[in-house]
Amino acid sequence: KQEVTQIPAALSVPEGENLVLNCSFTDSAIYNLQWFRQDPGKGLTSLLLIQSSQREQTSGRLNASLDKSSGRSTLYIAASQPGDSATYLCAVRRSSGSARQLTFGSGTQLTVLP
Amino acid sequence: DAGVIQSPRHEVTEMGQEVTLRCKPISGHDYLFWYRQTMMRGLELLIYFNNNVPIDDSGMPEDRFSAKMPNASFSTLKIQPSEPRDSAVYFCASRQTGGVTEAFFGQGTRLTVV
Repeated sequence: KQEVTQIPAALSVPEGENLVLNCSFTDSAIYNLQWFRQDPGKGLTSLLLIQSSQREQTSGRLNASLDKSSGRSTLYIAASQPGDSATYLCAVRRSSGSARQLTFGSGTQLTVLP
Repeated sequence: DAGVIQSPRHEVTEMGQEVTLRCKPISGHDYLFWYRQTMMRGLELLIYFNNNVPIDDSGMPEDRFSAKMPNASFSTLKIQPSEPRDSAVYFCASRQTGGVTEAFFGQGTRLTVV
């Protein structure tokens, strides 16, 4: 059974700092990995999706990397801003089986202090 | 498109009552997912549909939970009878086969059973 872990559970940084969020998964047979953002009281918004054949994806100040062999992904946020404060979740999709489902990590709650 | 629409946004009910949560997926999406989010267990997939047909309901916790999708634009998740431990945020999500993102999430329904 796939398990997805995100450490730390919470992170607080001053504005302008570059930061890295970590995601690890136990089964490397994944189809893709996706990073989501969740604001309080809101649903999840997709940030970046990395296919299993890719090493990284970039969108603006965000860069996500994937190392399947080690079961790790990182989300790099450059020049953090207070508006980046949210919970960030990673989710992996299995590469086989009929269950086209995502397994989510528990998230990292990020606070960027002005 | 207005995105995935869920109703109600908040529901407070007494133990033993029937609760019905509603979801309208994004038009043209052929997959629909119901998730439950709690502090203790994070995001859990309850059930998903493909072309209105339930594919995997292994995440449904008990027989008290049931879900239907009578047509491509509407789904319900019903809990009968409700219990305090059902209190959580319930998310509906949809996606399109071959789409660039794994799922688009609704805003969620916060259910409180007292």
